[in-house]
Amino acid sequence: GDSVTQMEGPVTLSEEAFLTINCTYTATGYPSLFWYVQYPGEGLQLLLKATKADDKGSNKGFEATYRKETTSFHLEKGSVQVSDSAVYFCALRGSNSGYALNFGKGTSLLVTP
Amino acid sequence: EAGVAQSPRYKIIEKRQSVAFWCNPISGHATLYWYQQILGQGPKLLIQFQNNGVVDDSQLPKDRFSAERLKGVDSTLKIQPAKLEDSAVYLCGAGSNTGELFFGEGSRLTVL
Repeated sequence: GDSVTQMEGPVTLSEEAFLTINCTYTATGYPSLFWYVQYPGEGLQLLLKATKADDKGSNKGFEATYRKETTSFHLEKGSVQVSDSAVYFCALRGSNSGYALNFGKGTSLLVTP
Repeated sequence: EAGVAQSPRYKIIEKRQSVAFWCNPISGHATLYWYQQILGQGPKLLIQFQNNGVVDDSQLPKDRFSAERLKGVDSTLKIQPAKLEDSAVYLCGAGSNTGELFFGEGSRLTVL
């Protein structure tokens, strides 16, 4: 079945460092891909999405490109801030699953001043 | 953006007791989801509703979990009797016309 694999955390970075969180997927057909963020004590929030191959999703300085050839959707940010500290979830919506999302295990990011 | 209200935010019960969680997708989206998020793991789909009908409940432990969505708006998720391994955050999500899911803040359950 459909699945998402994320790099394990926690990831600890200094402020202004470059961030990459790897995400790969397994799916039949043409899934849509998402990154959600969960700040401490809050619910899941959509960060960005891409619905077809080569699409680039972007928001708040974060980017991810839907790479069908490598089945990947890596999250990147050029310069992280302390306020980016959160748990990041990669998610997939299969072409036959309605709108239900299949989430990865999450990657915890801590940014230090 | 859709607002999703959930209650209670926190609940502590002893094993074998029952508990119920409530969700209201304020903007009235047709599709509603309940997810279970165990500490350190990603959310796992429990049940999906389209209006007041069940689309997918294949991962719902039906011997102890039940959910309903009367009138196609708000929904309740019940656990009876609870087990220690049910300790988790229960997330309610509403689906938008663009395919995004909007989530509430979740209900954190601790089973002692």
